[in-house]
Amino acid sequence: ETGVTQTPRHLVMGMTNKKSLKCEQHLGHNAMYWYKQSAKKPLELMFVYSLEERVENNSVPSRFSPECPNSSHLFLHLHTLQPEDSALYLCASSQNRAQETQYFGPGTRLLVL
Amino acid sequence: KQEVTQIPAALSVPEGENLVLNCSFTDSAIYNLQWFRQDPGKGLTSLLLIQSSQREQTSGRLNASLDKSSGRSTLYIAASQPGDSATYLCAVRGGADGLTFGKGTHLIIQP
Repeated sequence: ETGVTQTPRHLVMGMTNKKSLKCEQHLGHNAMYWYKQSAKKPLELMFVYSLEERVENNSVPSRFSPECPNSSHLFLHLHTLQPEDSALYLCASSQNRAQETQYFGPGTRLLVL
Repeated sequence: KQEVTQIPAALSVPEGENLVLNCSFTDSAIYNLQWFRQDPGKGLTSLLLIQSSQREQTSGRLNASLDKSSGRSTLYIAASQPGDSATYLCAVRGGADGLTFGKGTHLIIQP
């Protein structure tokens, strides 16, 4: 048990749908991250939050919208996605931003039709 | 831009063998390097974290080394077991907050 949970574990959505991915960490960490893992590509960092403030956005399209209402929860709101957005979306957390081990959740497997 | 390369992409060995997984990175200005394992359908499990000032870290049958100046790290697995079968990912932390990952080494240990 890593202490980082993600829901749902699997999601199928059409290109016109709106959905949200949820991440919750039970580790008392102050930093949270969204990563994308596409087939045959390395894991890519999408967003970083520290103390509920977004500190990094890696040129992610606006159809992905993160939200961090408190230090334990992180959301990724999805709207008008494309089939190429199908991937495994992983959430991670760390005690602070620098030089700390990151702990990952199990991921949400997303399929966009 | 940091790039991380892992060799080999896939490896299959009989149970009991010692093996080495390789990782290289292009920018030596890193804070740390982390090795993870990923099982099918699951998230990542952190195995070892090496800070930039360290040369190696050990955990059980795993030993990871870091040569920052040459941009290389190795993960040594002793006496491999079928339960070690997984994808092993190397990631470095540079100036940015997040990690830069390699594509991974898919490891199969044959019983």
